[in-house]
Amino acid sequence: AQSVAQPEDQVNVAEGNPLTVKCTYSVSGNPYLFWYVQYPNRGLQFLLKYITGDNLVKGSYGFEAEFNKSQTSFHLKKPSALVSDSALYFCAVRDIWMDSSYKLIFGSGTRLLVRP
Amino acid sequence: NAGVTQTPKFQVLKTGQSMTLQCAQDMNHEYMSWYRQDPGMGLRLIHYSVGAGITDQGEVPNGYNVSRSTTEDFPLRLLSAAPSQTSVYFCASSTGQGGSNQPQHFGDGTRLSIL
Repeated sequence: AQSVAQPEDQVNVAEGNPLTVKCTYSVSGNPYLFWYVQYPNRGLQFLLKYITGDNLVKGSYGFEAEFNKSQTSFHLKKPSALVSDSALYFCAVRDIWMDSSYKLIFGSGTRLLVRP
Repeated sequence: NAGVTQTPKFQVLKTGQSMTLQCAQDMNHEYMSWYRQDPGMGLRLIHYSVGAGITDQGEVPNGYNVSRSTTEDFPLRLLSAAPSQTSVYFCASSTGQGGSNQPQHFGDGTRLSIL
């Protein structure tokens, strides 16, 4: 069965410092991996995705994520955090071998708090 | 472009009442889905549709019905509301063009309280 784990409920970082939000996944076949961000009282917004190819994926707002197949991880990173990055972040996975539908499995979310 | 529009934004119901949450998208997307978001549990898939006339169950379908008579609309019906259905409900859509790796577009949610 597909699953996604976000081991940290909250990540705290000072503005200007690098940030990492962790995600690990479990699928039977090859994954499509996604990161979404949610601001208060809004829906989720797409940040970036990994489909195939280069393990380092660049996305919106200066975020990037590194796909690591051996560790089944897809951590979200940013070199220099902004206060405006404070939000709820979700990792999601789709198993493209075992499930031909468009269903996504989401992690439980990580709240990122960037302090000035 | 309006994207994905959900109505109402807020709703309070009494136990046993029924209601329909509306979702409409103007992007001609084939795939639409309903999720519920509960604290600490992420988003869980309720029902989804891969095109007009085609629907299927997700992870937590009990107590909910859907239909997809047009490409644009995908309403979610609560048959007999229960306090356990208090949640924030999100509708999402994505194109099937290029395969299932396309990102989903989300509405801003409906906050539902069942008393």
